[in-house]
Amino acid sequence: KAGVTQTPRYLIKTRGQQVTLSCSPISGHRSVSWYQQTPGQGLQFLFEYFSETQRNKGNFPGRFSGRQFSNSRSEMNVSTLELGDSALYLCASSLTGVSYNEQFFGPGTRLTVL
Amino acid sequence: AQSVTQLDSHVSVSEGTPVLLRCNYSSSYSPSLFWYVQHPNKGLQLLLKYTSAATLVKGINGFEAEFKKSETSFHLTKPSAHMSDAAEYFCVVTPTGTASKLTFGTGTRLQVTL
Repeated sequence: KAGVTQTPRYLIKTRGQQVTLSCSPISGHRSVSWYQQTPGQGLQFLFEYFSETQRNKGNFPGRFSGRQFSNSRSEMNVSTLELGDSALYLCASSLTGVSYNEQFFGPGTRLTVL
Repeated sequence: AQSVTQLDSHVSVSEGTPVLLRCNYSSSYSPSLFWYVQHPNKGLQLLLKYTSAATLVKGINGFEAEFKKSETSFHLTKPSAHMSDAAEYFCVVTPTGTASKLTFGTGTRLQVTL
């Protein structure tokens, strides 16, 4: 079974631009969560989608948004990029997102904002 | 609200000696607790999870953790370290019933020397 895939693996953008990251969950998984990992703030939860609906949301500004498609693939968008948005963005999928369902993480997309 | 505190940012052990990575948690609700490992340039992998069943939890690669409610601790142990255990370890908490809004500790970097 293929794991969680994220594209692209690396991105370089400049301040003010916007970016879209993609995540393909494991086949059959319906819950997709996004996390931001930085040296200063560590790993922080962005949001979770389940059956095309945002089910949980972390404490990030509205510049961070996402969506999920009917095939469970998810995209994350960041508008008006800031230098502080440079981070590793991780996507995780699980069957339903409840505690007895393990979350499987992708390798991440490393975003650099210049 | 929930949080976790990893008491050591860096732990160094010799190969073949025991490993102890310490984690204390705080949660308003009955929590689910996890340990994840992150090897360089790889995604996060679940080592083990506690979801209100047995307090002593066995995970992969010989790791185990004990949930101690009286001490609000969930320390990770392994009897004998291997070189391949060198990685970053994260203690994670989430309210019981959801695994999608994970709250991560700051991480402990485990170094294994010959």
